[in-house]
Amino acid sequence: AQSVSQHNHHVILSEAASLELGCNYSYGGTVNLFWYVQYPGQHLQLLLKYFSGDPLVKGIKGFEAEFIKSKFSFNLRKPSVQWSDTAEYFCALFTNAGKSTFGDGTTLTVKP
Amino acid sequence: DTEVTQTPKHLVMGMTNKKSLKCEQHMGHRAMYWYKQKAKKPPELMFVYSYEKLSINESVPSRFSPECPNSSLLNLHLHALQPEDSALYLCASSQVRGVTEDTQYFGPGTRLTVL
Repeated sequence: AQSVSQHNHHVILSEAASLELGCNYSYGGTVNLFWYVQYPGQHLQLLLKYFSGDPLVKGIKGFEAEFIKSKFSFNLRKPSVQWSDTAEYFCALFTNAGKSTFGDGTTLTVKP
Repeated sequence: DTEVTQTPKHLVMGMTNKKSLKCEQHMGHRAMYWYKQKAKKPPELMFVYSYEKLSINESVPSRFSPECPNSSLLNLHLHALQPEDSALYLCASSQVRGVTEDTQYFGPGTRLTVL
């Protein structure tokens, strides 16, 4: 069985603060890891993805994530958040069997 | 272009109605997916089509009936739904199911309300 756990359900930050959202996964095989963002009233958009190679991946809008295999983690980071980053963030695991599992999501509120 | 389109955007139906949701992509993807997303919850996988054949059914009730008439189109036929089926229904597509380095792209969803 596979699972994804996001530790922070709701994060509130002021503009310019640094962000780190936690994501841990459980799966015994090869994993593809993703972060998706869902802005209010909009559809899921791909932020970044990790398949293999360099464990530090960069995505859109200044986001990056680090894959740490020994910790089964794929945490999302941004050095300085903006009000426009207010959204729901989902970590997801896709396996070669075609199954996909999403974490429960983290609601990020950035105060101007 | 990574666009997946879905129609209608909103749908209200009674428990005895029959309706269909439609999803379309023109990226040449051969895998298509249906997800259900309740408010403040993550998307839950319902069905996966690979090369127009149903490959995964996540124990979804038979009142939901998927159909993939060709490689660009995916339908979800709805019949005798319950109020608890009200949700956002998301469609996604990817190049090929089950290979490394495959990425799913999502449509905007259909907001379904069952009265």
